Amino acid sequence: GIQVEQSPPDLILQEGANSTLRCNFSDSVNNLQWFHQNPWGQLINLFYIPSGTKQNGRLSATTVATERYSLLYISSSQTTDSGVYFCAVGYGQNFVFGPGTRLSVLP
Amino acid sequence: EAQVTQNPRYLITVTGKKLTVTCSQNMNHEYMSWYRQDPGLGLRQIYYSMNVEVTDKGDVPEGYKVSRKEKRNFPLILESPSPNQTSLYFCASSLLPGTSGEQYFGPGTRLTVT
Repeated sequence: GIQVEQSPPDLILQEGANSTLRCNFSDSVNNLQWFHQNPWGQLINLFYIPSGTKQNGRLSATTVATERYSLLYISSSQTTDSGVYFCAVGYGQNFVFGPGTRLSVLP
Repeated sequence: EAQVTQNPRYLITVTGKKLTVTCSQNMNHEYMSWYRQDPGLGLRQIYYSMNVEVTDKGDVPEGYKVSRKEKRNFPLILESPSPNQTSLYFCASSLLPGTSGEQYFGPGTRLTVT
């Protein structure tokens, strides 16, 4: 099956700092999404990005499908950005999640 | 509002008592699926459905059943729950038949089996 890796596993930032989260996958995929899991456990859709670049406010994402990676950029981080960030890929009929990056933004 | 709903959101039950977690979407989506999330193991797919009356196993189907009699509903059935099924469960749906489309997730159901 496909392997989905995320780095770093943990990240601690001061409020206002920028960060880059990475997702690597081991095979061609038909979908890639980024999610934020908030402290209440809800999965929030951030980006549907099988390829290319998208931006939404302070967040942006880039997927280079040919090189099998995706990046999530968070600029001017806020305490409300804290939580776990997951990438997930569509592989055949399965949707496979990475292990996540736990982000803590300190005031 | 376009959404995926799950009920109940929280459930505490006892070993062996059959239960059903409902999932419903109002977006006329083809593809629906169930996941469980466990500490250290991440999110894993339990079952998925490509369309009405078409279901298939994901990575961890043991101890679960599903049905897809209507396009909008995809209930998860635990015939005889056990403590190792204590978990956070998510339902998801997608417009396209398969995983190429954007997946929309429900709010989650926290299940505790004692």
